[in-house]
Amino acid sequence: LAKTTQPISMDSYEGQEVNITCSHNNIATNDYITWYQQFPSQGPRFIIQGYKTKVTNEVASLFIPADRKSSTLSLPRVSLSDTAVYYCLVGDPTGTASKLTFGTGTRLQVTL
Amino acid sequence: NAGVTQTPKFRILKIGQSMTLQCTQDMNHNYMYWYRQDPGMGLKLIYYSVGAGITDKGEVPNGYNVSRSTTEDFPLRLELAAPSQTSVYFCASSHGKETQYFGPGTRLLVL
Repeated sequence: LAKTTQPISMDSYEGQEVNITCSHNNIATNDYITWYQQFPSQGPRFIIQGYKTKVTNEVASLFIPADRKSSTLSLPRVSLSDTAVYYCLVGDPTGTASKLTFGTGTRLQVTL
Repeated sequence: NAGVTQTPKFRILKIGQSMTLQCTQDMNHNYMYWYRQDPGMGLKLIYYSVGAGITDKGEVPNGYNVSRSTTEDFPLRLELAAPSQTSVYFCASSHGKETQYFGPGTRLLVL
């Protein structure tokens, strides 16, 4: 299993760009990197997924360097509603479901 | 399209009691999952199913049982509740092994 390491918490002001880095040194060739967002008292929600280089959607961007040993979730111009826990997952989408592990995540606090 | 629904939202059990947590999805997903989340922690996979009639253990299956008789439903059974099973339980579903869609969760307190 590819273990991930993320900062426990981050603070940001509204309107700033937030970058959350995830370390996954033993990522396997078939593994993808997926980020989920979780608000209090709710289930996690998919944000973005990527394999290499850069992926962008309407919510975030995901940057993955060539060695794939880390990845960075970028949230442009955060608002108060982006306050949540963000989980980085590494796993093979064609492998068994039991290989997907949620770590403790990064708790992002956005303030005015 | 309701997505993934879970019942009940909250339950208090006495030690040794049993209960079933219900999970239903209306997206025709073949994969379904049960997770538990302890306070301040990430989610841990309890059981998962790749289709009706097929289930398999996840990371923390002890004390739980599941069944999958239909595509839509994936109930989680606790036979002898213990205080260590106090947690929030999330059900999720996915089309194949891709993005998982989560339900709102069931908060369980065992006293």
